[in-house]
Amino acid sequence: EAGVTQFPSHSVIEKGQTVTLRCDPISGHDNLYWYRRVMGKEIKFLLHFVKESKQDESGMPNNRFLAERTGGTYSTLKVQPAELEDSGVYFCASSQYTGTAGELFFGEGSRLTVL
Amino acid sequence: GDSVTQMEGPVTLSEEAFLTINCTYTATGYPSLFWYVQYPGEGLQLLLKATKADDKGSNKGFEATYRKETTSFHLEKGSVQVSDSAVYFCALRTAARQLTFGSGTQLTVLP
Repeated sequence: EAGVTQFPSHSVIEKGQTVTLRCDPISGHDNLYWYRRVMGKEIKFLLHFVKESKQDESGMPNNRFLAERTGGTYSTLKVQPAELEDSGVYFCASSQYTGTAGELFFGEGSRLTVL
Repeated sequence: GDSVTQMEGPVTLSEEAFLTINCTYTATGYPSLFWYVQYPGEGLQLLLKATKADDKGSNKGFEATYRKETTSFHLEKGSVQVSDSAVYFCALRTAARQLTFGSGTQLTVLP
C-alpha cells in the first residue's frame, strides 16, 4: 500500500514567486493535514481537511497561503507570493480516523527554499 | 496553549551507548504523548506513544514513560545502533486539537 506522497521534494524559488505543493494521502483516508517546520524549529500545524472541507485552518500563517482539496483526494498548498520566511519543510499527513485515536501517517516532506 | 520542550541537539553517541532525550510538556487537559522519528530521506514515523499517566510506550528498543507528576515523556534506549541516527520529535495531542511538536533532536550514532 502506498504511503503519503508529496511533490516536489525540493523547490527553490525567488521571493515574490508562486509555489504549489502537492500531497497524495493514503487511499481511503478522509483526514489530511499540513504541517511546517521552519529553520530547524518545531513542526507547526497549518490546517486539517476532512474530505474536501477545511476542519481547522487555525495554523495558516496569512492569506498568502491557500490550501485546497478538491474531491477529497489529493491536496495542494499554494504560497503566493512567497517570502523569505516561508522557507522550510512542509509535511503532509493523513489519517483514517479523526481525534486522538487516528494515527497520522506522514509524507517525506517538501523542502521549500525562498531566495 | 499546548507546548512541548525537548532536549536540544545535536546529540552524538558511540554505538552501544545509552540514550536519553528529554521531553517535557504543557497541556490543557490530558494529552496523549508521542515520539516521532525521521530517518534520513524518509517521512516522519510514529515511534511510540502513551495515552495515559504511567503508561510506557515501547518500540524498536526505545521506551518512554508518561509521567504526569513531572509532565515528562523522556525517550530512552539502552544500546543505540548506527541505524538509529535520525531526528526525534516529541509531540502531544489533546482531544479535538492537533498534534503539537517539539523542535526535534538530531541524533548521530558513530560506529
